[in-house]
Amino acid sequence: GESVGLHLPTLSVQEGDNSIINCAYSNSASDYFIWYKQESGKGPQFIIDIRSNMDKRQGQRVTVLLNKTVKHLSLQIAATQPGDSAVYFCAENIQGGGNKLTFGTGTQLKVEL
Amino acid sequence: NAGVTQTPKFQVLKTGQSMTLQCAQDMNHNSMYWYRQDPGMGLRLIYYSASEGTTDKGEVPNGYNVSRLNKREFSLRLESAAPSQTSVYFCASSDWGQAATNEKLFFGSGTQLSVL
Repeated sequence: GESVGLHLPTLSVQEGDNSIINCAYSNSASDYFIWYKQESGKGPQFIIDIRSNMDKRQGQRVTVLLNKTVKHLSLQIAATQPGDSAVYFCAENIQGGGNKLTFGTGTQLKVEL
Repeated sequence: NAGVTQTPKFQVLKTGQSMTLQCAQDMNHNSMYWYRQDPGMGLRLIYYSASEGTTDKGEVPNGYNVSRLNKREFSLRLESAAPSQTSVYFCASSDWGQAATNEKLFFGSGTQLSVL
């Protein structure tokens, strides 16, 4: 079946730098995308989402970019902090398929002091 | 506001034993879900319930059953546990279904299950 994948399993950044986490998706029928943050021993926590009729959406310190031409999604975290250390998942929802998010395998973000 | 509450948090079973994972949400959401999370494989959908009274299979339903007891509660049952079901299980809910179209999932804190 269709799957959502991530380019890098682990990303290390210095505190204060910007982080970019990438995600590739393969289903052109996907119309909704979402990023989750998961800290050790906890459930996934919503960060930001975007619909396919948008290219960019900003939140507090986070920005999601969607490139439908190459089926690519990215999460940018500005001024990365130690509290940002976690696993980040992207997920997609296929239009007309009900609300069944398909998750990628995750990227571990490590913030170095 | 508790959000999504799962019990138990940890469980160890022997092969062949049965158990039920409980989940309740207090956000008046229509839809509820059960996912499992294995290392390196992300979250995979086991079953979901788009609304009270309905349940549907997800990506990996074999070996599981579910019950949407009411709008708040959605339980997952393992009738005869197998080592392959060792995983972390997450319940989630969303305000999607019928007239609502909010796909965002809210997750519980998970149940770590080991089957020996």
